[in-house]
Amino acid sequence: GAVVSQHPSRVICKSGTSVKIECRSLDFQATTMFWYRQFPKQSLMLMATSNEGSKATYEQGVEKDKFLINHASLTLSTLTVTSAHPEDSSFYICSARELSNYGYTFGSGTRLTVV
Amino acid sequence: AQSVAQPEDQVNVAEGNPLTVKCTYSVSGNPYLFWYVQYPNRGLQFLLKYITGDNLVKGSYGFEAEFNKSQTSFHLKKPSALVSDSALYFCAVRAGAAGNKLTFGGGTRVLVKP
Repeated sequence: GAVVSQHPSRVICKSGTSVKIECRSLDFQATTMFWYRQFPKQSLMLMATSNEGSKATYEQGVEKDKFLINHASLTLSTLTVTSAHPEDSSFYICSARELSNYGYTFGSGTRLTVV
Repeated sequence: AQSVAQPEDQVNVAEGNPLTVKCTYSVSGNPYLFWYVQYPNRGLQFLLKYITGDNLVKGSYGFEAEFNKSQTSFHLKKPSALVSDSALYFCAVRAGAAGNKLTFGGGTRVLVKP
């Protein structure tokens, strides 16, 4: 089946630095990818929709300058958390939409800790 | 706007007993419905989906769900629960073929006791 690889699985960074998270569709082309944030024991909150070759669409309340999304190819989308602060610590999950069967495949998530 | 409700934060069941996780939805047009399971510090694993056709959908690991249009529900069921089914379960909806993004319910934690 379809596989989405998300890297890194865990990252610890210092406050004020930037962190990049990669999301790759391994065996299918994903024109649309999604980035979610999940707080402990809570549901997934959609942050933005990433479209290949165009600007991402951000959900209300999500700072586009803080959470930079790039979808430069049909198999790779990246989320960069810029000038990270402790409140950005969270679990980030990406998802890629499969056009062939209306399915969505999720990455394994990235645990970001900002110290 | 589309929404999903999972009325139970947690479901406790004894191993071997039937498991049901409830989900109701609200969406314009025909819904595409999904169930996912999440283990600690992991992404979401797909269990099953309803797009069209038979209301009873069979999925992975012995799970099934029944689409009920009149009650706008899509409850997840398993006839005989295993301890390894203990996890966090999410129901999600998309607004049919024209829709794009998924809206998730709040999640239901399932605890299967031996």
